[in-house]
Amino acid sequence: AIVLNQSPSSIIASQGEKVTITCRASSSISSNYLHWYQQKPGAFPKLVIYSTSYRASGVPSRFSGSGSGTSYSFTISRVEAEDVATYYCQQGSSNPYTFGAGTKLELK
Amino acid sequence: QVQLQQSGTELVKPASSVKISCKASGYTFTSNYMHWIRQQPGNGLEWIGWIYPGNGNTKYNQKFDGKATLTADKSSSTAYMQLSSLTSEDSAVYFCARSRYPGSGFDYWGQGVMVTVSS
Repeated sequence: AIVLNQSPSSIIASQGEKVTITCRASSSISSNYLHWYQQKPGAFPKLVIYSTSYRASGVPSRFSGSGSGTSYSFTISRVEAEDVATYYCQQGSSNPYTFGAGTKLELK
Repeated sequence: QVQLQQSGTELVKPASSVKISCKASGYTFTSNYMHWIRQQPGNGLEWIGWIYPGNGNTKYNQKFDGKATLTADKSSSTAYMQLSSLTSEDSAVYFCARSRYPGSGFDYWGQGVMVTVSS
């Protein structure tokens, strides 16, 4: 199985700050199959970025993604209070599809 | 609008089985993939498998072979997951989620079903 190592596991950021999460895969993944989700407490995950760099419908432009091969990143350009959540990367390149362990974003 | 409505909370006994449902609306049920994902308490997300309701084809995470069985009823646009030989390890929230293609992002999710295995 492809293991996705996400870092950091937690971030404490101020409103307006830029934050970046990295996701490193144990094997190369096609960029078409690397996605990012946001999960708020008690809720289902929400697709934020699909295929490495495409924002899902209704997602604000402060969210972005990039990467290729085994190294991917997810950035929030200016954190807002509503962004407090856990973020997961996920690969759909090979069975079993796997998720990173998550990055918990909190506000300072 | 696309909606995935899952069945309610389940409290089940060890060694028993449970079948949970996911009713789809707002899109062509038979032309998209339905996935099931597990989230154990305080833990991350695990992909269980997918079903393509158009022809009933399935693909499982080997970890859940023999544990989970995915089916779909085209007439009611409902996907099902049966979990068997339940243990406390199976206590979790189970989500259904749609994708356009097998490896594409899960763009719509159900609200989740909490399954608690306890005697």
